[in-house]
Formats: sequence, C-alpha cells, structure tokens
Amino acid sequence: KAGVTQTPRYLIKTRGQQVTLSCSPISGHRSVSWYQQTPGQGLQFLFEYFSETQRNKGNFPGRFSGRQFSNSRSEMNVSTLELGDSALYLCASSHSGGANEQFFGPGTRLTVL
Amino acid sequence: SQQGEEDPQALSIQEGENATMNCSYKTSINNLQWYRQNSGRGLVHLILIRSNEREKHSGRLRVTLDTSKKSSSLLITASRAADTASYFCATMPRLGSQGNLIFGKGTKLSVKP
Repeated sequence: KAGVTQTPRYLIKTRGQQVTLSCSPISGHRSVSWYQQTPGQGLQFLFEYFSETQRNKGNFPGRFSGRQFSNSRSEMNVSTLELGDSALYLCASSHSGGANEQFFGPGTRLTVL
Repeated sequence: SQQGEEDPQALSIQEGENATMNCSYKTSINNLQWYRQNSGRGLVHLILIRSNEREKHSGRLRVTLDTSKKSSSLLITASRAADTASYFCATMPRLGSQGNLIFGKGTKLSVKP
C-alpha cells in the first residue's frame, strides 16, 4: 500500500501571497488531519476532514482553510502569508480519525520571506 | 495548548544503552500514542496504549501508562544509532480535544555509535 504523499515537498513564498498544499491519504482512509510544526510551538493541530466534511478545527486564524475531495485527497490553503507561517506542514490519514493510529506524510516545508 | 510534556527535552546515550523518555499530560485520556520523527520528516507511529492498559511492548519498545499520575514512559532497550530521532507522545483526551491528537514538544534522542 502506498503511504501518505504530500506535494510539494518544499515551497518558498513571500509575505502576502497565498499557498495551496496537497495531501493524498492511504487508500481506504477517510480521515485526513493537518498539523503545523514549528520549533517554537511544536506540533499544532489545524483541522481534520472526514468524508469531505471538516470535522474538527484547531485554533488557527481564518487564513488557514482546507477541503477534502470525494477521493479523500485533501488540500489546505493559507492566504495572506505571514513570516510566522513558515513551518513544516504535515498531513496524516487514518481510517476514522485521531483516536486511531495516524499515518503521516513527509510534510511540506514552507518558507515565507 | 500542549497536553503532553516530554521529559527530558534532549537525551544523549551510547549505542547499546537503554533510553527512557517520559510524558506527562493534563486531562483524562482515551489513549496515548508515541511517535518518532527523523530530522525534518514525517512522524512514524510507534505504539498506542489505551487508558485501561498499563503496559505494552513492541519489539525493543516498552510503554507504560499510569493514569493516576497522568504519565507515560517509553523505554527503548539496546539502543542503536538508527534510533536517533525526536520522540513525541500524543494524547486523545476524553473531552475537549474535538477528536484530534494533542502532541507534546518531544524528546530529542541522540544515540552515539
């Protein structure tokens, strides 16, 4: 079974731009969660999608949004980028959500200049 | 907010020695999970222990859970250089987490050959 894939792996943007990150979960997994990882704040939960619906949301501003498609692939979008958005963005998939083992992708390293 | 706090923040040992990492958390949990992250990459699930379990083994890993003290420990026996990574505990609180995992800030383990 193929693992979780994330594209792109690296991204450099400037302040004010927007960015879209993509995540393809393991086949058969319906839950996709997104996390932001920074040296200062550690791993922070952004949101979770299950069967195309946002089921849970963390404490991030509205500039962070996401969606999930019928094939369970998910995208997250960050608008009006700020320097503090520089981070490793990780997505994780599982059969039914956070109570179970989550399978993480390699992450997208976003640098905002 | 962080639910789990790992201790120590960093640990350096020689190959062959045992490594013990601790995790404390704040609220009642459904389960606690341990993950490993190699430098700048995605997380790998190691082990899940449910709130009604006290100890679990997987290969060279041993996890204990003390719900009365709200703490867990991860023991890696006979460590290898390949065990060098950051280790995170993640909890699934019973209430208030909105169903997502909450990660601690991790223990950085360095195993010297």
